Amino acid sequence: GENVEQHPSTLSVQEGDSAVIKCTYSDSASNYFPWYKQELGKGPQLIIDIRSNVGEKKDQRIAVTLNKTAKHFSLHITETQPEDSAVYFCAASSNTGNQFYFGTGTSLTVIP
Amino acid sequence: KAGVTQTPRYLIKTRGQQVTLSCSPISGHRSVSWYQQTPGQGLQFLFEYFSETQRNKGNFPGRFSGRQFSNSRSEMNVSTLELGDSALYLCASSLGGLAPYEQYFGPGTRLTVT
Repeated sequence: GENVEQHPSTLSVQEGDSAVIKCTYSDSASNYFPWYKQELGKGPQLIIDIRSNVGEKKDQRIAVTLNKTAKHFSLHITETQPEDSAVYFCAASSNTGNQFYFGTGTSLTVIP
Repeated sequence: KAGVTQTPRYLIKTRGQQVTLSCSPISGHRSVSWYQQTPGQGLQFLFEYFSETQRNKGNFPGRFSGRQFSNSRSEMNVSTLELGDSALYLCASSLGGLAPYEQYFGPGTRLTVT
């Protein structure tokens, strides 16, 4: 089955700086890569996603890049704000069913 | 549209008991997936239902079961509860179908087994 690895497990940045979280996957059949943000006491919230026919996608301060050859994808958050503090999860899925494989999460702290 | 709802939000049970959790997906979504989230193991996939049929299953013992109704609402049941079953149980809904679609999570049910 698919194996998704996520790094780093914790990340602290100063407000206004950028944050980058990286994930690798093992199954070349994976073609959909969402990112989730989970705040304390809440369920994960889908913040951005990318499909394998696209190399990069942006939504305001958030961007995701995908390198299919190297089987890795990354989340970039620019101009970080304290409200960006949360746990972020990457995931991978493929056409062989609606099963999602999640990374182990990155706890991001934005220091005011 | 209303989001994914889960009931109850909190549960305290005793070892050996059984528990049923409920999930109502986003209107129009036909796929419901269940996950167990613990600090040590992260998000682990339990099973996925699509059009009342279990389509995928994770590596959990048979004590964990689920079902989906014709209105796409889903329930999961855990029998003979163990202390290690204490976790946040999340359900997620999506349109379903063969291609992977965006999956949206509910707030979760926090289960504590004593």
